[in-house]
Amino acid sequence: DGGITQSPKYLFRKEGQNVTLSCEQNLNHDAMYWYRQDPGQGLRLIYYSQIVNDFQKGDIAEGYSVSREKKESFPLTVTSAQKNPTAFYLCASSILPGQGAHEQYFGPGTRLTVT
Amino acid sequence: AQTVTQSQPEMSVQEAETVTLSCTYDTSESDYYLFWYKQPPSRQMILVIRQEAYKQQNATENRFSVNFQKAAKSFSLKISDSQLGDAAMYFCAAAMDSNYQLIWGAGTKLIIKP
Repeated sequence: DGGITQSPKYLFRKEGQNVTLSCEQNLNHDAMYWYRQDPGQGLRLIYYSQIVNDFQKGDIAEGYSVSREKKESFPLTVTSAQKNPTAFYLCASSILPGQGAHEQYFGPGTRLTVT
Repeated sequence: AQTVTQSQPEMSVQEAETVTLSCTYDTSESDYYLFWYKQPPSRQMILVIRQEAYKQQNATENRFSVNFQKAAKSFSLKISDSQLGDAAMYFCAAAMDSNYQLIWGAGTKLIIKP
């Protein structure tokens, strides 16, 4: 089945440690996105990528880093510089925007808790 | 600034009845796209319905329909014959810039009373 997988579902880390969240898609989508979701707020864009080896910062990129070495994969690293990393993280993908906006397909998310 | 506002943090409706969720947005663009997404307790985000701003006809998907008022910058979602499975957070989102990045509202929690 086509879709987006994120792993793990729950992740616990100690403060000061970097942690990498996985996102893989087999939908053959060019564009991929990382969002952060906090209670009572809408999704906020962290990073997005429209092509391999290229990515752009979203609204809240500070303290995060990404890579896009393969079309199917877009891992997110939450660094120790991120002041408040505990949150729910959603990965999404879509057909390349440019001829209109397209539906974004979402993974099941990763709940990160940092103590 | 481009914004999306959902003014109802929570709504409740009796099973089988109709409910309308509100969404307003602010943009100076003429070409944009509007979406309603559903996030059930599983937290999997699912597209409910989509509307292109250049289309005057309101989008409909089975029991879900929108009331798109372009001049008022309003995009409400109507759910008819509400079912228990409709209970979820509903997010309004808009792609309003040249990159078509989505801007999200804060969400409305929909409760279905049996």
